[in-house]
Amino acid sequence: DQQVKQNSPSLSVQEGRISILNCDYTNSMFDYFLWYKKYPAEGPTFLISISSIKDKNEDGRFTVFLNKSAKHLSLHIVPSQPGDSAVYFCAAGLSGTYKYIFGTGTRLKVLA
Amino acid sequence: EAQVTQNPRYLITVTGKKLTVTCSQNMNHEYMSWYRQDPGLGLRQIYYSMNVEVTDKGDVPEGYKVSRKEKRNFPLILESPSPNQTSLYFCASSRSDRDNQPQHFGDGTRLSIL
Repeated sequence: DQQVKQNSPSLSVQEGRISILNCDYTNSMFDYFLWYKKYPAEGPTFLISISSIKDKNEDGRFTVFLNKSAKHLSLHIVPSQPGDSAVYFCAAGLSGTYKYIFGTGTRLKVLA
Repeated sequence: EAQVTQNPRYLITVTGKKLTVTCSQNMNHEYMSWYRQDPGLGLRQIYYSMNVEVTDKGDVPEGYKVSRKEKRNFPLILESPSPNQTSLYFCASSRSDRDNQPQHFGDGTRLSIL
């Protein structure tokens, strides 16, 4: 049973527009969420995170929104750039366990 | 340069032949972890380690062993590899002085078990 789901395997967006990547989770105990970006032939790199005590966290062009009641988080990239083309993974964690559940990833393609 | 180094990057081998994938980090991180990435399944945690001589199972530990004899190294051992362990493997590390620290990942090891 997939506890963290990214239901869109791929997404194409025009350069300069907003990219919205979605992630749903089933375990209401998760209290920390992270987004990672992965380029081909490289390991994932950390992008942004959010604690369950917040509903929004912003870092430059990247904003993560958390809706706890819906068990849903989203990553907004504004404006999207061709260099943002990558696979994005969301991950959920439970404080104190040091175990993380990753989603299946969404491949974002930003078209120039 | 802060990094997590995995070796080898690619390996093709046969069923039953023991292999070890090494992982080393130069950031003095306490926490280290191994993941495998498979199509449609994302990244799944195999084992993790909170510090030297402290290891624990992740979600898919069957068929794997790990050891943490030194802080910087966390090798993944496949005693008797089988074709269902063909996958892309990632090692990661992070601080553990505070919870939920972002992990630094290696560039991956692609294993093919024939």
